[in-house]
Amino acid sequence: QVQLQESGPGLVKPSETLSLTCSVSGGSISSYHWSWIRQPAGKGLEWIGRVYNSGTTKYNPSLKSRVTMSVDTSKNQFSLKLNSVTAADTAVYYCARDFYDVSGWRTVEPWGQGTLVTVSS
Amino acid sequence: QSALTQPASVSGSSGQSITISCTGTSSDIGNYNLVSWYQQHPDKAPKLLIYESSQRPSGVSNHFSGSRSGNTASLTISGLQAEDEADYYCCSYTTSSTVIFGGGTKLTVL
Repeated sequence: QVQLQESGPGLVKPSETLSLTCSVSGGSISSYHWSWIRQPAGKGLEWIGRVYNSGTTKYNPSLKSRVTMSVDTSKNQFSLKLNSVTAADTAVYYCARDFYDVSGWRTVEPWGQGTLVTVSS
Repeated sequence: QSALTQPASVSGSSGQSITISCTGTSSDIGNYNLVSWYQQHPDKAPKLLIYESSQRPSGVSNHFSGSRSGNTASLTISGLQAEDEADYYCCSYTTSSTVIFGGGTKLTVL
């Protein structure tokens, strides 16, 4: 079955760009659509956005101005970039698959294990 | 988009049943039968319990059940067990093709 693994720097300086990659195994990245979700310590989940296998994107309106997502089919990976970060962007970042069937979106499953990104100088 | 509304905490005794509510709007829960529920233990990734408001994935215990009515979805856990103590999150698809989560509910098993 599909498994996901996040990777990237665990520490990012304020005002810089957070960059994460999600490696997909057990399935082709071209067959599905993919989401990023984050969770600040002790707080709830926040959906960041989705990258479709076509490369088209859909972002959370609250983050849209700072987010870029893309897919790299040659590496079976997809990525997240969040620019102009502040301490409020410190969180565990999860990558996940958006599960669709012939009727459309069904759920978000499975998820990666998550990676902690801290924004600090 | 504002988060779906969940109670911050619920509690119940071992063996009892509890229900967690999740309230949205006509732009999300009220428009689609596409509510998912996740269980999250400390320092773990969320685990899918329910999708399409009431469907259980293979391997999920049948003491978890879900329902939806209007703009509100509910997760019921029957026969509470100690291992059910965790945080629970609802989420829904929206009319903007985005996904929205609830603020989370901490379940304490007394």
